[in-house]
Amino acid sequence: GAVVSQHPSWVICKSGTSVKIECRSLDFQATTMFWYRQFPKQSLMLMATSNEGSKATYEQGVEKDKFLINHASLTLSTLTVTSAHPEDSSFYICSALIGRRTGEQYFGPGTRLTVT
Amino acid sequence: RKEVEQDPGPFNVPEGATVAFNCTYSNSASQSFFWYRQDCRKEPKLLMSVYSSGNEDGRFTAQLNRASQYISLLIRDSKLSDSATYLCVVNRGTGNQFYFGTGTSLTVIP
Repeated sequence: GAVVSQHPSWVICKSGTSVKIECRSLDFQATTMFWYRQFPKQSLMLMATSNEGSKATYEQGVEKDKFLINHASLTLSTLTVTSAHPEDSSFYICSALIGRRTGEQYFGPGTRLTVT
Repeated sequence: RKEVEQDPGPFNVPEGATVAFNCTYSNSASQSFFWYRQDCRKEPKLLMSVYSSGNEDGRFTAQLNRASQYISLLIRDSKLSDSATYLCVVNRGTGNQFYFGTGTSLTVIP
């Protein structure tokens, strides 16, 4: 089946620093990837839709200057959390759209970010 | 009103039991419906798509009711390994963006 990887799986950083998270589709090309955030005991919340070769589409309330998304190739999308603060601590998950017609997604294993 | 609503549970059922979850959605233009399974601290994994005529995959049966705007998931002969959170996912109309329900927690007890 389709495999999506994320790196790093876990990161701790100090407040004010920036963190880059990579999302890769390993055995297929993904023109569309999604970035989600999940707080404990809550559901996934879509942050942005990343389209290869174009600007990401951000959800209402998500600061595009704080969460920088780059989808430079058909197999890689990156999310950079700039000037991270403790409230940014969360589980960040990416997914790749497998079936444009069916809408099926395959998710990466997630990145747990802790900002101290 | 939330775009997708699920009963968070928890549902605690004995092994072998049959359990059903419902999920309602508010966007009548939604075209794609899915059930995902998420284990604790793991990523969601696609369990099954939900088709208009209903579909079955082993012990799992999914149904769609467009008139009432809900989808359901039925699990028969529950196994311990079925313990997880089940997420209802609905697309936004015809676009490639999706709403997630908050998930229904299932624990199957020996």
